[in-house]
Amino acid sequence: KQEVTQIPAALSVPEGENLVLNCSFTDSAIYNLQWFRQDPGKGLTSLLLIQSSQREQTSGRLNASLDKSSGRSTLYIAASQPGDSATYLCAVRDYKLSFGAGTTVTVRA
Amino acid sequence: KAGVTQTPRYLIKTRGQQVTLSCSPISGHRSVSWYQQTPGQGLQFLFEYFSETQRNKGNFPGRFSGRQFSNSRSEMNVSTLELGDSALYLCASSLPGPQPTNEKLFFGSGTQLSVL
Repeated sequence: KQEVTQIPAALSVPEGENLVLNCSFTDSAIYNLQWFRQDPGKGLTSLLLIQSSQREQTSGRLNASLDKSSGRSTLYIAASQPGDSATYLCAVRDYKLSFGAGTTVTVRA
Repeated sequence: KAGVTQTPRYLIKTRGQQVTLSCSPISGHRSVSWYQQTPGQGLQFLFEYFSETQRNKGNFPGRFSGRQFSNSRSEMNVSTLELGDSALYLCASSLPGPQPTNEKLFFGSGTQLSVL
């Protein structure tokens, strides 16, 4: 059974600092890994999708890496802004999406 | 292009009742999946439909069921509601390919179900 763990559970940083969010998973037989953002009471917004054959993906200030053999992914958010405050979820796809519990990020102005 | 639409946005029911939630996928998307989100268990996969057929199913009791119509719209039904069914129910749509390697999911805003 796929287990997805995200560390830390919560993070508070001053504006401008870089964010590093970690995700680990137990079964490397995946199609892809996705990072999502969720604002309170809302649905999920897809941030980045890394295919199992890829090592990283970048979009603007966001960069995600994937090391499938060790079962790890890291999401980097450069120069954080208050608008980045949200819960970030990582999910791995085999026949279904398995989600981590998320990291709740607060960026202080 | 319109996003994934879920209705209703909020729902209050009592134990023992049944409920039906609706999901309209992005135009052209043929795969719809459903997820339950609770503070204790996080996000858990319920089931996935493609071309009116259930393709995969999560580990939920038979009280949870779903279906997909020919226009790709989907409904999920929960019968004999229990207090523990209180949750945010999210649906997602995607354009499925031969394999889900590059299959990005687009989520709706969810239906918040409260069971009293």
